[in-house]
Amino acid sequence: DGGITQSPKYLFRKEGQNVTLSCEQNLNHDAMYWYRQDPGQGLRLIYYSQIVNDFQKGDIAEGYSVSREKKESFPLTVTSAQKNPTAFYLCASSIVGRSTSGTQETQYFGPGTRLLVL
Amino acid sequence: KNQVEQSPQSLIILEGKNCTLQCNYTVSPFSNLRWYKQDTGRGPVSLTIMTFSENTKSNGRYTATLDADTKQSSLHITASQLSDSASYICVVSGASGGSYIPTFGRGTSLIVHP
Repeated sequence: DGGITQSPKYLFRKEGQNVTLSCEQNLNHDAMYWYRQDPGQGLRLIYYSQIVNDFQKGDIAEGYSVSREKKESFPLTVTSAQKNPTAFYLCASSIVGRSTSGTQETQYFGPGTRLLVL
Repeated sequence: KNQVEQSPQSLIILEGKNCTLQCNYTVSPFSNLRWYKQDTGRGPVSLTIMTFSENTKSNGRYTATLDADTKQSSLHITASQLSDSASYICVVSGASGGSYIPTFGRGTSLIVHP
């Protein structure tokens, strides 16, 4: 069954602790993304990766780190430097397709991880 | 700066009624525009995707329109159902150096009442 999965569904972090959110996809997509969603706001890009062993900072990368050692996996670490980590975190992957009408980037999202601070 | 503005912020309608959600954008250069549906506590699910040469696309009771000249899009929902209650997000991607980084709107929260 193809898809994109995230774990855990809920995660609790203590002060000063690093936590890692998992994202796995078996869609054979090259690009993967991490977003943060806060109430009343649009999704904000944290990091993205378009190829294995390469990733780029998004708009709000401070306090976060990622790795892309395998095509299928793009874990996100929320470090102690992130002072306001409570949010809903969404992982996505995409493939770029081209049709006669132009370029289409179909982005698929995982079910999300809700991070709470104790 | 690339921006995507959605209106209204929230909308309440009765089951069976139609509604239209709006999206204005300033993303340039334009690659494509997508509408997503996001149920509470879940990841967004794609409804439609349109490139610059497409001005309408349907997916069941959902019909999206795009006016690339005025940089506006709308999502029309026909004969609404209770299950349509969700947040609807407009996403516009710009193309830059082979990358397609999307800009997200804040979403319109739709509540369908019986």
